[in-house]
Amino acid sequence: NAGVTQTPKFRVLKTGQSMTLLCAQDMNHEYMYWYRQDPGMGLRLIHYSVGEGTTAKGEVPDGYNVSRLKKQNFLLGLESAAPSQTSVYFCASSYGAGYNEQFFGPGTRLTVL
Amino acid sequence: GQSLEQPSEVTAVEGAIVQINCTYQTSGFYGLSWYQQHDGGAPTFLSYNALDGLEETGRFSSFLSRSDSYGYLLLQELQMKDSASYFCAGADSWGKFQFGAGTQVVVTP
Repeated sequence: NAGVTQTPKFRVLKTGQSMTLLCAQDMNHEYMYWYRQDPGMGLRLIHYSVGEGTTAKGEVPDGYNVSRLKKQNFLLGLESAAPSQTSVYFCASSYGAGYNEQFFGPGTRLTVL
Repeated sequence: GQSLEQPSEVTAVEGAIVQINCTYQTSGFYGLSWYQQHDGGAPTFLSYNALDGLEETGRFSSFLSRSDSYGYLLLQELQMKDSASYFCAGADSWGKFQFGAGTQVVVTP
């Protein structure tokens, strides 16, 4: 099992450009999450999904959109990137709700110039 | 919403015991989890407390008191490889999750 994978690992964008981050899991987990982590800070929840076809807003959803068309994939989109979105993005999945163990992907390091 | 407070840094020598406290304010609180993150790596799960009391997993133990809105992670027999950031995280019954800002544990020889 690959666990949770994220694509790409690194990306540099210019202000105003768009991109999609892909998260995939092969553990048949129902719940999936997108977090961002800024230097010296904890993880902040952007959006999450409690099952295929569902999404919900987290703590910092503005400027991001998500889709969960297939159970194993959770996509995070930035429509018009801003320097404030420079961060490390982590995807996670869990069998049940957030109180279950979350398995994290390796992260995507995004820089917006 | 939820907020979780934990110390920013703790320093200890090899072989010592370290306790990382976490206080939380939350609505719909369901349980408290702990995660470890080494520099440049992804967080990894350590433990979860849904009920009051102590959970032990090897050298790590976690405690929860719902009445005090308080929990802690206990690291025993510290090793150099335990140098990392440790996060408490609260979950609500809807599956929404919030992390504390993290505690940097520095283990010295």
